[in-house]
Order: sequence, then structure tokens, then C-alpha cells
Amino acid sequence: ETGVTQSPTHLIKTRGQQVTLRCSSQSGHNTVSWYQQALGQGPQFIFQYYREEENGRGNFPPRFSGLQFPNYSSELNVNALELDDSALYLCASSAGTGGRDTIYFGEGSWLTVV
Amino acid sequence: SQQGEEDPQALSIQEGENATMNCSYKTSINNLQWYRQNSGRGLVHLILIRSNEREKHSGRLRVTLDTSKKSSSLLITASRAADTASYFCAYNQAGTALIFGKGTTLSVSS
Repeated sequence: ETGVTQSPTHLIKTRGQQVTLRCSSQSGHNTVSWYQQALGQGPQFIFQYYREEENGRGNFPPRFSGLQFPNYSSELNVNALELDDSALYLCASSAGTGGRDTIYFGEGSWLTVV
Repeated sequence: SQQGEEDPQALSIQEGENATMNCSYKTSINNLQWYRQNSGRGLVHLILIRSNEREKHSGRLRVTLDTSKKSSSLLITASRAADTASYFCAYNQAGTALIFGKGTTLSVSS
């Protein structure tokens, strides 16, 4: 049990639609990151939020956006869904930025785009 | 690409045997973390080893780090069927992102 919770666990969307995924970070953690994991691949970094500000972004288009709230929970929004967006989306939290802390992951949200 | 690489890609062993997985990376790092992923589920953190450390233990797990060779290894001793999973190394430079390899799929049969 990592203390990082994600919802929903599974969802199916149609190409062109929009989706919002949610994450509650571990208590005391002010940094949340999102990763996309395609089948058979390792997770790929999407972006990170620290104290409600985006603090780093991977190679993902602008239709991937996020928010972090004052309680450090976070949302990942994906607009104009494409078939290749089908993947496991993982949220991770840590006590700080800079890459010195253990990073804990949630169980993920499985997104299928049809 | 900055992606790390695990070796082997797949490993099949019998219960009670040891399993060794290797990881290579391409840049200087702050630390390296190992994770386990059961099929279709989230990542479970196993061990974090910092760049100034050479070896760490946690239960049946032993992780080594050789920064001169830019490589790390994960040893699972006396493996069990419940150890069947994919194992990933992930490293962090000075920035925000964890960089993962494609993982090693371990199968332990009884």
C-alpha cells in the first residue's frame, strides 16, 4: 500500500473525446508526477507538479494537461483522444523535487480508446 | 534516447533459485530505484540506491550500483512463485523525471 490512490481504475473512451484521471498523493507529499505506460513498455514521463505549478514536462503534446490542487491531489486531462493514447496511466508522488526522494506509484488507470 | 535498459528481457527460473537482473543507463544520476510490477497493476517500490552507495539490501533483495560502468543489478535470492512480475530500474538525473527501461519479466515456477 503506497498511499497513492487513482481513479477510475478502468475506462473506455471514443476517439476524439476527452478524459480526466484523478490522483491523491501520499500524505505529506507535495510533488505529483504522471506517467504513461503502453503495453510491453516502461513508463514514460508526462509531467510533474510541485505546489500547484508544472515543474517539468516530457515529450507529450499540449492536449495532455494537468492540475494540482492545494491539498496536492492532481488531475490529468487528455483532450482529442487518439487510439495511441490507450495505456496505463500512473500517478506518482514524492516528498520533494530534484530526484533525491523515493517515488511512490498508484495502481494506475487503464484507458482504452476505441 | 535516454531510456535505461534492463537485461535480460525475460528470465525463467525455479522456486528457490536466485534471479539476477541488470540495468544500464547513459548519464550521471542522483539515484536509481528498482520497482516491481505485477501484471496490469501499479509499480511497487523495492529499493532506492544513491549515487554514492555501492550496495543495499532489503530482505531477499540485494542491489548494487557501479557508477563507473553506469550499471546496476538486482538480485532476488531464494525466489518464490509470488516474485513472478516485471522488474524495472528507473533513474533520475538532476531533474524531475524518472527514466525507465523496458523491464525484465521474471517467471518463477514451482
